[in-house]
Amino acid sequence: GENVEQHPSTLSVQEGDSAVIKCTYSDSASNYFPWYKQELGKRPQLIIDIRSNVGEKKDQRIAVTLNKTAKHFSLHITETQPEDSAVYFCAAGGNTPLVFGKGTRLSVIA
Amino acid sequence: KAGVTQTPRYLIKTRGQQVTLSCSPISGHRSVSWYQQTPGQGLQFLFEYFSETQRNKGNFPGRFSGRQFSNSRSEMNVSTLELGDSALYLCASSQTGSSGNTIYFGEGSWLTVV
Repeated sequence: GENVEQHPSTLSVQEGDSAVIKCTYSDSASNYFPWYKQELGKRPQLIIDIRSNVGEKKDQRIAVTLNKTAKHFSLHITETQPEDSAVYFCAAGGNTPLVFGKGTRLSVIA
Repeated sequence: KAGVTQTPRYLIKTRGQQVTLSCSPISGHRSVSWYQQTPGQGLQFLFEYFSETQRNKGNFPGRFSGRQFSNSRSEMNVSTLELGDSALYLCASSQTGSSGNTIYFGEGSWLTVV
């Protein structure tokens, strides 16, 4: 079955800097790659997603890139703000339910 | 449009007891998936129901079970509770199924087993 590895597990950045979180997956049949943000005590919320027919997608300060050949995808957050502090989860799926990475705790230091 | 609703939000149970958690999906969504979230293991898939049928099942023991009703509401049950079952149980709904589609999470049910 699918296996998703996510790195780093924790990440601290200065406000205004960029943050990058990377994930690798194992199942070449996976074709859907969402990212979720979970603030403390709240539900995971979808922030951006990408499908395998697209290499990059951007939404304001957030972007996701996908390399299907290497089976990895990344989340890029530019101009980080304190409200970006949260746990971020990547996931991969296609013919099977989403499999999630173990999460990255991002801390943005003002 | 109302989001995914889970009840109860918090509960404490004793080892050996059983627990039932409830989930109401977003209106019009026919698929409900359940995930267990723990600090060490992240989000782990339990099972998915679509139109009252279990479509997929994760790698959890038979003590974990679920069902879905004709109105798409779902329940999950854990019998013979163990300390290790303490976790946040998240329900997620989607229109046509979680495979390759966006899922929307509820706030979760925090279960503590003592």
